[in-house]
Amino acid sequence: SQKIEQNSEALNIQEGKTATLTCNYTNYSPAYLQWYRQDPGRGPVFLLLIRENEKEKRKERLKVTFDTTLKQSLFHITASQPADSATYLCALGYNFNKFYFGSGTKLNVKP
Amino acid sequence: NAGVTQTPKFQVLKTGQSMTLQCAQDMNHNSMYWYRQDPGMGLRLIYYSASEGTTDKGEVPNGYNVSRLNKREFSLRLESAAPSQTSVYFCASRPAGAQETQYFGPGTRLLVL
Repeated sequence: SQKIEQNSEALNIQEGKTATLTCNYTNYSPAYLQWYRQDPGRGPVFLLLIRENEKEKRKERLKVTFDTTLKQSLFHITASQPADSATYLCALGYNFNKFYFGSGTKLNVKP
Repeated sequence: NAGVTQTPKFQVLKTGQSMTLQCAQDMNHNSMYWYRQDPGMGLRLIYYSASEGTTDKGEVPNGYNVSRLNKREFSLRLESAAPSQTSVYFCASRPAGAQETQYFGPGTRLLVL
């Protein structure tokens, strides 16, 4: 099975700074990679998807990069706000029904 | 639209008891999924249903059964609960076609004593 590594330690940053979260994987590269946000006591909410043939994807203050050579995806939140505080999960997709999730990184944005 | 709903929100079972977790979606999605989430681990797929009438095993199916009752509903059954099944269970659905986005329910917290 796939092994996915996300930093288990919380990332603490100051409001207004850029937060960068990392998702590393072993073995075979996925067809696409997703990032989700999860708040305490709630289900994950989809944020962005990037396909294996794409290098970068943006949506408002969010940016995702995908490097299949390094087997790594980076997730950036620019101009971070306290409301961005949450746990962020990456998920690797191999077809429509086969997904592997990382354990997530908790982001704390301090005012 | 309510999206994906799950019942119950929280349940305590004794070892050996059985129960069914219910999931329903009102978005007319074809595919539905059951995951479990444990501390320090990612969401792990238990079972999925690619369409009404079909179900398939995911990464951790042992100890569980599922039923795709109709297009809206997908239930997860624990026949004989074990403490190792203490977890948070999430149901998700996904539309047909090339879209790969999953929509998750709020989760069911299950404690097996």
